[in-house]
Amino acid sequence: GQQVMQIPQYQHVQEGEDFTTYCNSSTTLSNIQWYKQRPGGHPVFLIQLVKSGEVKKQKRLTFQFGEAKKNSSLHITATQTTDVGTYFCAGYPANDYKLSFGAGTTVTVRA
Amino acid sequence: NAGVTQTPKFQVLKTGQSMTLQCAQDMNHEYMSWYRQDPGMGLRLIHYSVGAGITDQGEVPNGYNVSRSTTEDFPLRLLSAAPSQTSVYFCASQNSGGPGRETQYFGPGTRLLVL
Repeated sequence: GQQVMQIPQYQHVQEGEDFTTYCNSSTTLSNIQWYKQRPGGHPVFLIQLVKSGEVKKQKRLTFQFGEAKKNSSLHITATQTTDVGTYFCAGYPANDYKLSFGAGTTVTVRA
Repeated sequence: NAGVTQTPKFQVLKTGQSMTLQCAQDMNHEYMSWYRQDPGMGLRLIHYSVGAGITDQGEVPNGYNVSRSTTEDFPLRLLSAAPSQTSVYFCASQNSGGPGRETQYFGPGTRLLVL
């Protein structure tokens, strides 16, 4: 079955620094979604990427979808304490209703 | 709109007990799903439904049953609880499960402890 892998599992960041989390799939995806889960909360949708090579930005967050549609990345610049949480990528294989989640990257921020 | 609601928020069961986790959405979404979240393993799909009367298995369906008699409700039944089912359970809904792949809206979760 499809596997979606995320690295790193944990990211400890100094406030103001940049970091990137990566998502890789064993199969080609029709699209990829990113979610953020605050401690004790539920996942909240951030963005969806559909096209090969697509890049989208949300303020300090930059999302990329690989050319082969098998990998994605989330880059956060100038990390703030509000960025604390776990970031999940999730992908749909082509012609499949089952959304597969990565294990997530848990981000902590040192002030 | 209340969005996606789940009850109960917390539950403690003894091994062998059965229970139903409730999930309801008021957005008229066709697609609903159940996930479990365990440390270091992300969210794993248990069962999903693409519309009333239609359900299918996800990645980890064993020990769980679902039904979808209405568009709004998608209950998850634990038939005979086991300690391995200790987890946080999330219900989610979206407008379509097909191409177009809209965003999923998650409920607040049910924290289940099986002793």
